[in-house]
Amino acid sequence: GNSVTQMEGPVTLSEEAFLTINCTYTATGYPSLFWYVQYPGEGLQLLLKATKADDKGSNKGFEATYRKETTSFHLEKGSVQVSDSAVYFCALTASGGSYIPTFGRGTSLIVHP
Amino acid sequence: DVKVTQSSRYLVKRTGEKVFLECVQDMDHENMFWYRQDPGLGLRLIYFSYDVKMKEKGDIPEGYSVSREKKERFSLILESASTNQTSMYLCASSSQGATGANVLTFGAGSRLTVL
Repeated sequence: GNSVTQMEGPVTLSEEAFLTINCTYTATGYPSLFWYVQYPGEGLQLLLKATKADDKGSNKGFEATYRKETTSFHLEKGSVQVSDSAVYFCALTASGGSYIPTFGRGTSLIVHP
Repeated sequence: DVKVTQSSRYLVKRTGEKVFLECVQDMDHENMFWYRQDPGLGLRLIYFSYDVKMKEKGDIPEGYSVSREKKERFSLILESASTNQTSMYLCASSSQGATGANVLTFGAGSRLTVL
């Protein structure tokens, strides 16, 4: 079956540090890949997505590139802010008509001033 | 602004009570989902609906049921609440767009405590 593996958190950084959150996946075919973010006290919201190999999704300074050869979709940001403190979820939806996404367990990011 | 609205942000119920969690979306989405979120376990799918009156079991349906009588509304029902159902419940919806490109829109969540 499909699966998503994320690095365990929490990830603790100082403001303006570089962020990487690793995500690897297992799926047949060509899944679409997503990063969702959950700010404290809120539901999840889409951060970025990529639908085919070598696509780069980007939003709010975050980027992730769909790497089919390494089955990865790592999230990066060059300079984090305190307001980026949240839980980040990597997810995929499989090709072939499935509407049900598979989520990773989430990675908590804490950014200190 | 498009929205998924969950009727209650915080609920406290007693063991054995029947609990209804309501979710309404205004995006004309075909698909609706109920997840529970627990520390260390991430999101776990309880039930999924792809059309009115249609439902599919997710990974952890035991102890739950759902109702979808109208396209915009998806209700989660705990027939007899138990303490192990204390959790954050998240509703989401998505359209049946291009295969594999569906984006979920989530509600703010309902935190249920069962005493």
